[in-house]
Amino acid sequence: EDQVTQSPEALRLQEGESSSLNCSYTVSGLRGLFWYRQDPGKGPEFLFTLYSAGEEKEKERLKATLTKKESFLHITAPKPEDSATYLCAVMMDSSYKLIFGSGTRLLVRP
Amino acid sequence: SAVISQKPSRDICQRGTSLTIQCQVDSQVTMMFWYRQQPGQSLTLIATANQGSEATYESGFVIDKFPISRPNLTFSTLTVSNMSPEDSSIYLCSVEAPGQETQYFGPGTRLLVL
Repeated sequence: EDQVTQSPEALRLQEGESSSLNCSYTVSGLRGLFWYRQDPGKGPEFLFTLYSAGEEKEKERLKATLTKKESFLHITAPKPEDSATYLCAVMMDSSYKLIFGSGTRLLVRP
Repeated sequence: SAVISQKPSRDICQRGTSLTIQCQVDSQVTMMFWYRQQPGQSLTLIATANQGSEATYESGFVIDKFPISRPNLTFSTLTVSNMSPEDSSIYLCSVEAPGQETQYFGPGTRLLVL
C-alpha cells in the first residue's frame, strides 16, 4: 500500500535551534515528492519539489533532501515565523494524485 | 504560481442541507482537484475535476454525495450534499500549474455542520 509517514508529529524548538523533519514513503513508483507549509486557517503553501535521490533544494532557512526511501526538511536557525505545520506529499508515476503525510507541527519559541 | 480563490471562506450549515463551494483561478489550468482536510488530519483527495467530462472520484467518495462541475478551464464547484456533522472539514481546491507537476492550493472553505 502506498504510504507517507512524517515524524515527529510535533516539534518545539528554541529560536536558532536547528533540526530536521522526516518524511518516509513507500510507493510503487515515485514521480515527485513535495513539501508544503500550512499556517492555521490557510491552505498549504508550496515549498519544494524533489524528483530523484540525491537532489537538494534550498529556500532561506529551509533545505529539503531526498533519498530512495525518505526526505528530510532541514531547518537552520529557525525563527518564530517558521512556526507552522509542514506537510510532505508524494506523487506516483502512474497518477497525478498527491498522497499526503499527516504533517509535523513546528513551534519555534523566541 | 496561480492565484486561487474560494467561496465561501467559511459556513455553518444545518444537517440535511447542501452547500456549493466555488473555486476560481486567475489563469487557465488543465488539472483541478478537490481535497478534504478533516479536523486535525492531513489532506485527502476527493476527486479530480475534468473540463468537459465527469469528475474522477477517489475510493470512498461518490458523485451523489460530492457532485463536481468544471464548466471551463478557470472554474470549478464542489457540492457537499445532504450534510451530516461528519462532513465538517476544510475543503480545498488545488490546480496543477501548466508545464509543472506542482499543485497550488486555494485558501480553503471551512465547513461546520450542526
